[in-house]
Amino acid sequence: DAGVTQSPTHLIKTRGQQVTLRCSPKSGHDTVSWYQQALGQGPQFIFQYYEEEERQRGNFPDRFSGHQFPNYSSELNVNALLLGDSALYLCASSRRTYPNSNQPQHFGDGTRLSIL
Amino acid sequence: SQQGEEDPQALSIQEGENATMNCSYKTSINNLQWYRQNSGRGLVHLILIRSNEREKHSGRLRVTLDTSKKSSSLLITASRAADTASYFCATDTGRRALTFGSGTRLQVQP
Repeated sequence: DAGVTQSPTHLIKTRGQQVTLRCSPKSGHDTVSWYQQALGQGPQFIFQYYEEEERQRGNFPDRFSGHQFPNYSSELNVNALLLGDSALYLCASSRRTYPNSNQPQHFGDGTRLSIL
Repeated sequence: SQQGEEDPQALSIQEGENATMNCSYKTSINNLQWYRQNSGRGLVHLILIRSNEREKHSGRLRVTLDTSKKSSSLLITASRAADTASYFCATDTGRRALTFGSGTRLQVQP
């Protein structure tokens, strides 16, 4: 049973470029969340996708956008890259259940994005 | 913004000793979760405690939750070198968007 997989594992870009990161959720999961983790910090919530729509969003600018596909996989796009966007980008998946929302999220190993 | 704040920021102990990490948060929660992160890797879920629970055990892990003080603690008993990692608490207000603290870096010396 494959867990959450992310690609690529590492990426180097220059300021102003655009990047797309990809995530496949754990089998049986339908909700995907993206987090940004700067070096030495805890992850920060970017946004969450369910049923191919953005359901929640953290405090991130519109340069950060995403998409979810019918097979539940997801992409994170970042435009006009800044040096401050250098971070580990983590994807997490879970299964949306009602009314019980008490379940953990399953994380991938992340994509390390470096901006030069 | 980070709701949870872990204390201490760093902890160094000898193998066999117990390690205690604390977490404080600011708003009402649905549950609180603890995760472990090995260097450069993703987060591994350790334990989830609901807002109506006060204590939970899983193997060598013990988590307590005090909602009146908005705090939680994670105790790792009989630590091993393999426990060396960063530990994060994360709160869920019911919206399934986790808010993480800045983490405790645990070093277990063999």
